[in-house]
Amino acid sequence: GAVVSQHPSRVICKSGTSVKIECRSLDFQATTMFWYRQFPKQSLMLMATSNEGSKATYEQGVEKDKFLINHASLTLSTLTVTSAHPEDSSFYICSASAGAGYGYTFGSGTRLTVV
Amino acid sequence: AQTVTQSQPEMSVQEAETVTLSCTYDTSESDYYLFWYKQPPSRQMILVIRQEAYKQQNATENRFSVNFQKAAKSFSLKISDSQLGDAAMYFCAYLSPYSGGGADGLTFGKGTHLIIQP
Repeated sequence: GAVVSQHPSRVICKSGTSVKIECRSLDFQATTMFWYRQFPKQSLMLMATSNEGSKATYEQGVEKDKFLINHASLTLSTLTVTSAHPEDSSFYICSASAGAGYGYTFGSGTRLTVV
Repeated sequence: AQTVTQSQPEMSVQEAETVTLSCTYDTSESDYYLFWYKQPPSRQMILVIRQEAYKQQNATENRFSVNFQKAAKSFSLKISDSQLGDAAMYFCAYLSPYSGGGADGLTFGKGTHLIIQP
């Protein structure tokens, strides 16, 4: 079945530094990938849609200069949290679809802690 | 914009019993997809079941089935013969029909925490 690999699973960084999270579709090509953010005991909130070969589409209220998305190939999207602050600490999850209506496969998530 | 509502923050059921999780949604579209996802403590999102709105027949996957009421915009999940491994957060999700190529993200409900009592 469709597999999405996300790395790292956990990262701790100092305030002011940048962190890159990778999302790879292992056995299918994904022209579109999605990045979600999940706060403790809350639901997933769509942050942005990553489009291969073009600019990402950000949801309202998401700072595109803080959350840089690059989708350079059909199997890889990266999310870079720039100048991280403690309030950016969260669980970030990526997903992609292997085809029409099949639902979305999710990565295993990245727990980001900014200290 | 579409919204998904899960009115039960937490549900508890005895092992081997049946439990139903509720989900309602609001949309002006006539065709769409609905999903139930499970998120265990590992936080890995796992697809439980999906339903195409144009299909009247309720989807089933082993012990999991849905009651899809399109007119009422209701999409409940029934778990039969509950097992300890079913304990998790369950999220209902909506997908626009224009996402045939996976172009749109999912809209999630707030989730229901399911507790299985041994």
